Amino acid sequence: DAKTTQPTSMDCAEGRAANLPCNHSTISGNEYVYWYRQIHSQGPQYIIHGLKNNETNEMASLIITEDRKSSTLILPHATLRDTAVYYCIVVANAGGTSYGKLTFGQGTILTVHP
Amino acid sequence: DVKVTQSSRYLVKRTGEKVFLECVQDMDHENMFWYRQDPGLGLRLIYFSYDVKMKEKGDIPEGYSVSREKKERFSLILESASTNQTSMYLCAGSGRRANTGELFFGEGSRLTVL
Repeated sequence: DAKTTQPTSMDCAEGRAANLPCNHSTISGNEYVYWYRQIHSQGPQYIIHGLKNNETNEMASLIITEDRKSSTLILPHATLRDTAVYYCIVVANAGGTSYGKLTFGQGTILTVHP
Repeated sequence: DVKVTQSSRYLVKRTGEKVFLECVQDMDHENMFWYRQDPGLGLRLIYFSYDVKMKEKGDIPEGYSVSREKKERFSLILESASTNQTSMYLCAGSGRRANTGELFFGEGSRLTVL
């Protein structure tokens, strides 16, 4: 699976949009971009994923560049409860026994300030 | 809501003890995973299982074993606990037919080995 690079930490004001970047320049054609977050003392939580089109759900939006070498997770109106570590992961949605084996990096610590 | 339940949130054991960490999922998922999480090292995959009685080594299997006798239950076993196994242990599940990278995590079990 392709390696990802994320900033170590970011700050955001409450109510503003949080834009979390991720670089995955070695991504291959069958690899998806997944985002998770981990709030302190809890297990990681799935947020969103995409292949090449932009995606949106009730939690966030995912913008993937046309060359697929980078992506941005957008939390449109950040709240204090969005303070967490955000992980960007690239994984192949292939068949067989590769399903679900994720490699988590260090992630980005997002701190939302009042 | 889907649920992954880990039997103990906090455990304290002594060096040399045999330790069982239990994980149960109610999602009828085929895939189950055990990770450990340590400061500065992120989440690292210990073992995973794609079906009953099947197991695969992850990135750091040394010192651990697993058991999957029933689909809903995946146990992590420390045959002889050591202090370097003090960590947060996270269990996760996913369905083979679902999005490959969408894992559902438990709350975690924090193990301290004295």
